[in-house]
This record gives sequence, C-alpha cells and structure tokens, in this order.
Amino acid sequence: QSVLTQPPSASGTPGQRVTISCSGSSSNIGFASVNWFRQFPGTSPKLLIYTNDQRPSGVPDRFSASKSGTSASLAISGLQSEDEADYFCAAWDDSLNGWVFGGGTKLTVL
Amino acid sequence: QVQLVQSGAELRKPGASVKVSCKASGYTFTTYSIVWVRQAPGQGLEWMGWISAFNFNTNYARKFQGRVTMTTDTSTSTAYMELRSLTSDDTAVYYCAREYYYGSDSYYYYFDYWGQGTLVTVSS
Repeated sequence: QSVLTQPPSASGTPGQRVTISCSGSSSNIGFASVNWFRQFPGTSPKLLIYTNDQRPSGVPDRFSASKSGTSASLAISGLQSEDEADYFCAAWDDSLNGWVFGGGTKLTVL
Repeated sequence: QVQLVQSGAELRKPGASVKVSCKASGYTFTTYSIVWVRQAPGQGLEWMGWISAFNFNTNYARKFQGRVTMTTDTSTSTAYMELRSLTSDDTAVYYCAREYYYGSDSYYYYFDYWGQGTLVTVSS
C-alpha cells in the first residue's frame, strides 16, 4: 500500500489530454514539493517534473503539473503513442522522515 | 555528463546478504546524496534510504533499519547498498539515484539521475 494514492491506470486517444492524480496528506504533499517520474518497461525511472510544476530540459511542454493542498496532478496534452509508460509521483514525508511514492499509473494510448 | 553505473545482477539464497554498487561520474560526487530505491516485479517504487556523499550521514526507511547499510567511497565516487537477511520478498530491481537539491531560504530536492538498476533475485 503506497503512501501516495494514484489511479492504477489511465488512458486516452492520440491528441487527447489526460490527467493523472496523486493524493497525499499534510505530512507529504501538503508539506513538501512533488516530483513526477516516467518509466518505460524494463528501464529506470526518469525525472519528468520537479518541484511541483518544473520541467527539466528536454521534457516537452505537453507535460505540465500542479499541486494544491494535499493533492497533485500531472497533465499530458496532445497525447502520443510514445507516452505509454508508468508514471509515479513522489514527495518527502515529514512524519515518516523519508521519501514516499505513489503506486504508479499505467498510461495506455488507445 | 552525469552517469550512475550499477553492478550486475545477483542471485542469493534466503538468509544471505547482497551488496550493490553505484559508480558516479560527471559531477563532484561529494556535492549530492545518493538514494536507493527498489522495485519488486510488477510493483511500484519504494525508497530505502539515502547517504550523504559529503559527510556519510545516512537516513534509512524504517522498514529497512537494522537490515541495510549504505556506504560511499569518495576515492572512487562509488556508493554501496548492502541488504542482509534476504527473503524472497527482497527480490527486486534496486536503483541508485542522485538526490539533487537547490534553493537558498528553502531547499528543493529531487532525483535527477538514476542508475540502470540491479536485479537481485532471492531464491533457494
């Protein structure tokens, strides 16, 4: 059972906009910034969004994210087939004194 | 360019220990902490702990306290994670990652570079 809650799956058709939610509590998302990672099968996770809404260089602006209170969300617009992957959110948890992750959301492009 | 290169796959029997290495390059090793994250087959990511490459301070997840030891060798820019008393539940891919930080009044942290992962299989 992951500390941060994500839907196990999400889907969309090419060109659509999809959002993935990440729900936490006052000790994690409500306390610290949220980071998002993308993982393709058989590869290591890659940073997608840092500090709630910042994109690392090389990440297209189709990817955006936000945080409000104890929840965060990742949005992907102009969905492409290559966006099929697992997406994870993460935040520092002040009560646990450690990093916590969401269980991951498998995105399928129909 | 920043790279983290991990040691190869390991097979261990229940009750044994495993030590995974993570060699960093492309940056000043002592500037950032190294975190260890594992992923059981078909499962999500689980943070195990971190070690400061600057002062060797560690912070282990409660679940692993007493069973894990993280160390660094600054002469070779290598981090190590040893896990003891292995059970089949420890079968997973183990990743190291750099914990980057920035800021002034407040600091922000994230994992910006990851190793390729090391599969540890625990089986009799």
